[in-house]
Amino acid sequence: ETGVTQSPTHLIKTRGQQVTLRCSSQSGHNTVSWYQQALGQGPQFIFQYYREEENGRGNFPPRFSGLQFPNYSSELNVNALELDDSALYLCASGLGDTFYNEQFFGPGTRLTVL
Amino acid sequence: GQQLNQSPQSMFIQEGEDVSMNCTSSSIFNTWLWYKQDPGEGPVLLIALYKAGELTSNGRLTAQFGITRKDSFLNISASIPSDVGIYFCAGAGNNRKLIWGLGTSLAVNP
Repeated sequence: ETGVTQSPTHLIKTRGQQVTLRCSSQSGHNTVSWYQQALGQGPQFIFQYYREEENGRGNFPPRFSGLQFPNYSSELNVNALELDDSALYLCASGLGDTFYNEQFFGPGTRLTVL
Repeated sequence: GQQLNQSPQSMFIQEGEDVSMNCTSSSIFNTWLWYKQDPGEGPVLLIALYKAGELTSNGRLTAQFGITRKDSFLNISASIPSDVGIYFCAGAGNNRKLIWGLGTSLAVNP
């Protein structure tokens, strides 16, 4: 139990639709990172938010966007969904603005795009 | 996206055996991390390494940061059934972006 929760647990969308995934960080954590984990792969870094501003981004197109709120919650938005967006989406919260500081992961949201 | 070379891909061992897995990179890293992921869960940090040559233990787990700064290994001694899961290495260089391995799937036969 890491204290990081994500919703929904599972989600099915069709190609072209938009989706919003939510994460609730540990209380007091001012950093949240989002990762995409395809089946049989390691997580791929999407972006990180520190004190409500984007603090770094991986190799993902602009249709992947995010928000971090003062109440330790955050969102990952994906527009114009593609079949390859099907994956487990993980959020991780931590302290500070270092990408690899100790992060606590949520259980993930499994997104299926048909 | 970029992923690290992690081996072996999978292991099936008897309870009580020792386990060794490693991770290599084409780039120099400043940090190596080892995680375990259970089904339906996010990864959990096992060991963090911040200095070349560093050897760190966490219970039955021992990890080392390679001297070349391009590799790391993880050993598990006297495996038990709850060690089952997928183990990931992850590294970060000067750009501070965390790059992950493809994982080693461990199965333990009681």
